[in-house]
Amino acid sequence: GAVVSQHPSWVICKSGTSVKIECRSLDFQATTMFWYRQFPKQSLMLMATSNEGSKATYEQGVEKDKFLINHASLTLSTLTVTSAHPEDSSFYICSATDSYEQYFGPGTRLTVT
Amino acid sequence: QKEVEQNSGPLSVPEGAIASLNCTYSDRGSQSFFWYRQYSGKSPELIMSIYSNGDKEDGRFTAQLNKASQYVSLLIRDSQPSDSATYLCAVIWAYSGAGSYQLTFGKGTKLSVIP
Repeated sequence: GAVVSQHPSWVICKSGTSVKIECRSLDFQATTMFWYRQFPKQSLMLMATSNEGSKATYEQGVEKDKFLINHASLTLSTLTVTSAHPEDSSFYICSATDSYEQYFGPGTRLTVT
Repeated sequence: QKEVEQNSGPLSVPEGAIASLNCTYSDRGSQSFFWYRQYSGKSPELIMSIYSNGDKEDGRFTAQLNKASQYVSLLIRDSQPSDSATYLCAVIWAYSGAGSYQLTFGKGTKLSVIP
């Protein structure tokens, strides 16, 4: 149980374009989903917390107009990186929870050229 | 500032030995503690959660919590080369609404199990 999927697993895009990443909880209803970013050899950095049907809460320093989060249902959240730039290249990971334990998706590796 | 501290390692142990990973946290009010395993290039995988003082065992893994000392540890018995990974300690101390909680992670300890 407690399976979280992400799609796509990797994506390459050109600078200035937008990329959408999907996060789904497959076998439970997630009251909350979290979006993280991880640069090589660094720890996870929480970007935002997303509750179904309400606006996401962004961490300090994360641009909400650049990283658009939509939590449309209890099993689906999306992260859209708008006007991507090479510095946005990173490993984006979502997690989902219905209680205390967070379960992570497999991650999406984004490369912006 | 609320912090979770881990020794970054690397921690090297021979195959079959016990690996001991340690974590301290700064907020005495913390109630929930987790250990995640992260292989290189992969996302974290939850391996243990612990909420009460004492030991919790699951297979080869034992988590130990001492709230008075603000200390949580993970023991891996009969270490295998496949256990080689970065182990992340995580603590919940922020209520983010709607019954959910944010995790704060330590920077992780890299474990190498030598065959």
